[in-house]
Amino acid sequence: NAGVTQTPKFQVLKTGQSMTLQCAQDMNHEYMSWYRQDPGMGLRLIHYSVGAGITDQGEVPNGYNVSRSTTEDFPLRLLSAAPSQTSVYFCASRGQQTYEQYFGPGTRLTVT
Amino acid sequence: GDSVTQMEGPVTLSEEAFLTINCTYTATGYPSLFWYVQYPGEGLQLLLKATKADDKGSNKGFEATYRKETTSFHLEKGSVQVSDSAVYFCALSASSGGSYIPTFGRGTSLIVHP
Repeated sequence: NAGVTQTPKFQVLKTGQSMTLQCAQDMNHEYMSWYRQDPGMGLRLIHYSVGAGITDQGEVPNGYNVSRSTTEDFPLRLLSAAPSQTSVYFCASRGQQTYEQYFGPGTRLTVT
Repeated sequence: GDSVTQMEGPVTLSEEAFLTINCTYTATGYPSLFWYVQYPGEGLQLLLKATKADDKGSNKGFEATYRKETTSFHLEKGSVQVSDSAVYFCALSASSGGSYIPTFGRGTSLIVHP
């Protein structure tokens, strides 16, 4: 049982490039979320999903896309990277019956 | 809307000192309350939780009591160790109505010196 996995662990992009951050969970959780963590800002919600085929925007969705074609996977796409997207990105999931979240190890992204 | 306020850090202590990290919340309904811990270079992991008023969550020597009358969930530990150095996040999730999305505090960094 791997829990929540994220790839890659580190990534450097140039401004304007696009990429996909991968997230997968093997706990059959309905709910999945993407957060970014910046110094002094805590965690900010980017997008979330309450089940396969259903996604919605969080607090800071601009510049990011998501889709949820399976229960297990919830990729985050950066359409055209900007230096303001330099951050650490965390994926999280939770089951339907509990409110505690399980976090992945994070992806540290630098945009130059 | 829901909100969580926790004390700003960093909190710097010597080993074996007593720790308190304050957390207060504003929420509609009856939220569940959580403390998460983030060790350097890692994701957040659940430290403890409480789901109703007067519940006490505990784990690894840490404790927090759900105080509805003061809307607080302060984290305490009687004797901290260097290995407790981490960032601690207080959070809530609505247990009835509202959104499932949890609300996090901004985190409090704890530094424990030998």
